[in-house]
Amino acid sequence: RKEVEQDPGPFNVPEGATVAFNCTYSNSASQSFFWYRQDCRKEPKLLMSVYSSGNEDGRFTAQLNRASQYISLLIRDSKLSDSATYLCAVNKRDSSYKLIFGSGTRLLVRP
Amino acid sequence: NAGVTQTPKFQVLKTGQSMTLQCAQDMNHNSMYWYRQDPGMGLRLIYYSASEGTTDKGEVPNGYNVSRLNKREFSLRLESAAPSQTSVYFCASSDGGTGNNEQFFGPGTRLTVL
Repeated sequence: RKEVEQDPGPFNVPEGATVAFNCTYSNSASQSFFWYRQDCRKEPKLLMSVYSSGNEDGRFTAQLNRASQYISLLIRDSKLSDSATYLCAVNKRDSSYKLIFGSGTRLLVRP
Repeated sequence: NAGVTQTPKFQVLKTGQSMTLQCAQDMNHNSMYWYRQDPGMGLRLIYYSASEGTTDKGEVPNGYNVSRLNKREFSLRLESAAPSQTSVYFCASSDGGTGNNEQFFGPGTRLTVL
């Protein structure tokens, strides 16, 4: 089993839709969780950190479920510009600073 | 602030050639990382440097060497390039320590080995 797993998608949704992605992780001792956005042929960019209490940034909401060992990203009112690949990242067991990345979930928002 | 910069942006090598990928960050971060990204494989850690003066192997270190030249700079060297090293290489940095440790990435180097 991979340490961090994501559904590769693609998720194909119309503008204005709400879409959610999950990311499961295997290390119950993981402490830090992140969502990154990666546009085609570009570097990953931090979208948001995921806190235990959940957090929201505009149309984006991230949540952590420690019991089931997954994090989620909810995007409301999808825009064409949200089309990208979304990577989750979890800190590695033996280090607080090394991250393990999922392979990413591709989102396509259509007009 | 430029953040994390990488050179070159593109490179084509022949099998057996060597090259060094350069990375620099201006965020005064302690930790730096080299990843490769291949289709369907996600980001895989090659080497990392937790702090100036230290380097450690990541998930896929074979065929690579690194140098943490100073706090700002972290280079990746391919001594004898192989076609299997065709990939996109990203450098990243983070504050390190016990904080939240989000990583910030450079724009990447697209390497093709013929």
